[in-house]
Amino acid sequence: DADVTQTPRNRITKTGKRIMLECSQTKGHDRMYWYRQDPGLGLRLIYYSFDVKDINKGEISDGYSVSRQAQAKFSLSLESAIPNQTALYFCATSDPNSGSYEQYFGPGTRLTVT
Amino acid sequence: EDQVTQSPEALRLQEGESSSLNCSYTVSGLRGLFWYRQDPGKGPEFLFTLYSAGEEKEKERLKATLTKKESFLHITAPKPEDSATYLCAARSGGATNKLIFGTGTLLAVQP
Repeated sequence: DADVTQTPRNRITKTGKRIMLECSQTKGHDRMYWYRQDPGLGLRLIYYSFDVKDINKGEISDGYSVSRQAQAKFSLSLESAIPNQTALYFCATSDPNSGSYEQYFGPGTRLTVT
Repeated sequence: EDQVTQSPEALRLQEGESSSLNCSYTVSGLRGLFWYRQDPGKGPEFLFTLYSAGEEKEKERLKATLTKKESFLHITAPKPEDSATYLCAARSGGATNKLIFGTGTLLAVQP
């Protein structure tokens, strides 16, 4: 079974709709992240959470919100989707106690806003 | 401003033709340089972490090296299954553990 799962894997929605992307992990990691990936721009950080009570904005948080429901669950919401939010979205986790700081990624959600 | 630049953007090799991918970084107080492999439609898969200039790490046909300004991913005698996008990322000093990603090198290995 995958350690980091994301649902849905693909989603097409219309401009103005609210949409939620979900991430679950079984790695037991405290830290979780949401990124978006666009061609030519690489991975950019949207939000990150160091534990259930600690949530922080990344470099491109406008238009997004997050919820950390439990250590294992971190959701990303688009309150009112717009076409330029069409992208690949990835959730990632890391373990601060490992000392190595690498992040482990889920399989991604391909979101299309029409 | 912290920045990571990868070159080339795309590389096509014949099976068995060794080559290197470059990752140049400008970050304040590097706290780790990471390499990932990404297959189409999948999330990045962690390969290596390098921490200090002169450090090297190997895995099968891949070897990553680090200097004070750049990192190289050397691919020796590649096979078609090595075809993927290779991403590098740098972690700068501070407690946030934020990674700054490059845009990747798309590698195609032809049989």
